[in-house]
Amino acid sequence: NAGVTQTPKFRILKIGQSMTLQCTQDMNHNYMYWYRQDPGMGLKLIYYSVGAGITDKGEVPNGYNVSRSTTEDFPLRLELAAPSQTSVYFCASSYDDSLGSPLHFGNGTRLTVT
Amino acid sequence: DAKTTQPTSMDCAEGRAANLPCNHSTISGNEYVYWYRQIHSQGPQYIIHGLKNNETNEMASLIITEDRKSSTLILPHATLRDTAVYYCIVIKAGNNRKLIWGLGTSLAVNP
Repeated sequence: NAGVTQTPKFRILKIGQSMTLQCTQDMNHNYMYWYRQDPGMGLKLIYYSVGAGITDKGEVPNGYNVSRSTTEDFPLRLELAAPSQTSVYFCASSYDDSLGSPLHFGNGTRLTVT
Repeated sequence: DAKTTQPTSMDCAEGRAANLPCNHSTISGNEYVYWYRQIHSQGPQYIIHGLKNNETNEMASLIITEDRKSSTLILPHATLRDTAVYYCIVIKAGNNRKLIWGLGTSLAVNP
């Protein structure tokens, strides 16, 4: 199993450009999450999904969009990149929301907006 | 969900036990203690979780005090690869999406 795979690993965007961060998991997990981590800060939840076709906002959703058309994929879309979106983005998945279902994380996408 | 307090940083000698404390004095009866760690430049990794009994797995042991107001994560024989930020999180069952990630404890394992 590859686990949670994120692409790209690094990206530099100009202000106003758009991009999609890709996330795929091969563990047949129902729940998927997008977090951002700013330097020296804890992770903050952007969006999450409890299954294909179902998404919901997390703590910091502004400026982002998501979709979940399949169980495996959960892409994160930035429409108009802003410097405030410079961060490391982590995708995670879990089988469900129960105690014995911890989060599995990808290794992140490092995004710089200039 | 209850907040947690952890020391900002700790040091440990390679081969010795690393004992990482966490205070969660406002924990409620149905909240669990979870530990994750984040090795530099990687995504967080689940370590262990518990309710009130001590727990052990292949990675670590979790000791929870009888009043559940604090806990200690024990890495029995720390290696250089255990150098990471360790997060203690208190969460109710069914609330994965409500995990609150603080700043954790930065553990440096020294040769």
